[in-house]
Amino acid sequence: SSELTQDPAVSVALGQTVRITCQGDSLRRYYASWYQQKPGQAPVLVIYGQNNRPSGIPDRFSGSRSGNTTSLTITGTQAEDEADYYCNSRANSANHVLFGGGTKLTVL
Amino acid sequence: QVQLQESGPGLVKPSGTLSLTCAVSGGSISSSNWWSWIRQPPGKGLEWIGEIYHFGGTDYNPSLKSRVTISKDFSKNQFSLQLSSVTAADTAVYYCARARYGDFYYFDYWGQGTLVTVSS
Repeated sequence: SSELTQDPAVSVALGQTVRITCQGDSLRRYYASWYQQKPGQAPVLVIYGQNNRPSGIPDRFSGSRSGNTTSLTITGTQAEDEADYYCNSRANSANHVLFGGGTKLTVL
Repeated sequence: QVQLQESGPGLVKPSGTLSLTCAVSGGSISSSNWWSWIRQPPGKGLEWIGEIYHFGGTDYNPSLKSRVTISKDFSKNQFSLQLSSVTAADTAVYYCARARYGDFYYFDYWGQGTLVTVSS
């Protein structure tokens, strides 16, 4: 299958830990990257590779992988983390690119 | 700091061709990076359209491949998207982005996006 599957919506209480998952066959071969998108803004890279954060991304964001599932974990979630989150990887054929359908994170 | 800026018509007629340009500053499109187009229909998720490699090869989304052309203009340090035979389903915010493809694949710089509406 050449798809990445995400839960459409997840909620978390302020200050708690939340895990957002992404499943797909391509994730057995390729590491995913994760993007945060707030309303009216372009996506922002938050995690790439095994567990790499670009400069300026808080260390409460982390990534992991197990089998065909990759996860984005936010530890000590803040109100400003409320956003849509998308995973992304190369497809198994390597000649095109996949995005997950996105997860809307609500901070309660 | 690399910056990308999309430009082009905000309104395209059905059956026409959508043409957008992404101007790159703070870096060269001839460097070892890949340059991509991604779109997002209103209220929906991200869809990868295609990319052009630093040496000029291209990959396209299989679902759009018959209608898409991505090209580069080294003299202007920009790359372009053409999408033919557009319909209302092609209405979206179109983003250009830089992709890094080494040990990992990811989009590290994005343009602000430009809304293209397909309507008569």
